[in-house]
Amino acid sequence: GQSLEQPSEVTAVEGAIVQINCTYQTSGFYGLSWYQQHDGGAPTFLSYNALDGLEETGRFSSFLSRSDSYGYLLLQELQMKDSASYFCAVRSDTGRRALTFGSGTRLQVQP
Amino acid sequence: GAGVSQTPSNKVTEKGKYVELRCDPISGHTALYWYRQSLGQGPEFLIYFQGTGAADDSGLPNDRFFAVRPEGSVSTLKIQRTERGDSAVYLCASSLSGSGETQYFGPGTRLLVL
Repeated sequence: GQSLEQPSEVTAVEGAIVQINCTYQTSGFYGLSWYQQHDGGAPTFLSYNALDGLEETGRFSSFLSRSDSYGYLLLQELQMKDSASYFCAVRSDTGRRALTFGSGTRLQVQP
Repeated sequence: GAGVSQTPSNKVTEKGKYVELRCDPISGHTALYWYRQSLGQGPEFLIYFQGTGAADDSGLPNDRFFAVRPEGSVSTLKIQRTERGDSAVYLCASSLSGSGETQYFGPGTRLLVL
């Protein structure tokens, strides 16, 4: 089976930096993805890590440590529009294309 | 439209009825996925198509759920004898080649079974 754990809720202020952690347990591992979802909206792809290290895309960065089965999403210079739910997701093996999602972290950005 | 579209956006039905949910993927995307999302949870995989064939249907909860993609583009998720527990948002996603890493999601169909 597969399971992912991430905090249910995080609160931060505008302009700050926030880190959302994700730990996973899978029978195989092919990569860790992050998706953003605003209330009532569709999940939107943010980033993907297949190898250890940091991937940076603008204000968002994502990190992966395969040996620790751990990753995080780092959001810098927080803006009010970043208030949303953030999901980590794994693809567990090459034969299975579907993603297994965590339960999501609800980020609330305060002024 | 460049994105994934889903119809209807909302569907209210009575217990025991049959429903069909439609997904129009991004043009040229060969891979199509159906997920189900309950309130406060992440999307839960249902079925994956590569072209016209269901390459992985291991997420379908039971035989009341069925999906087709006859021409390799539009897909329909069919639910027979709906139950109140089927109430959820049904999300469709597509990706270019089935590499899986970047999936583009539609806005979902909110199904409410009374």
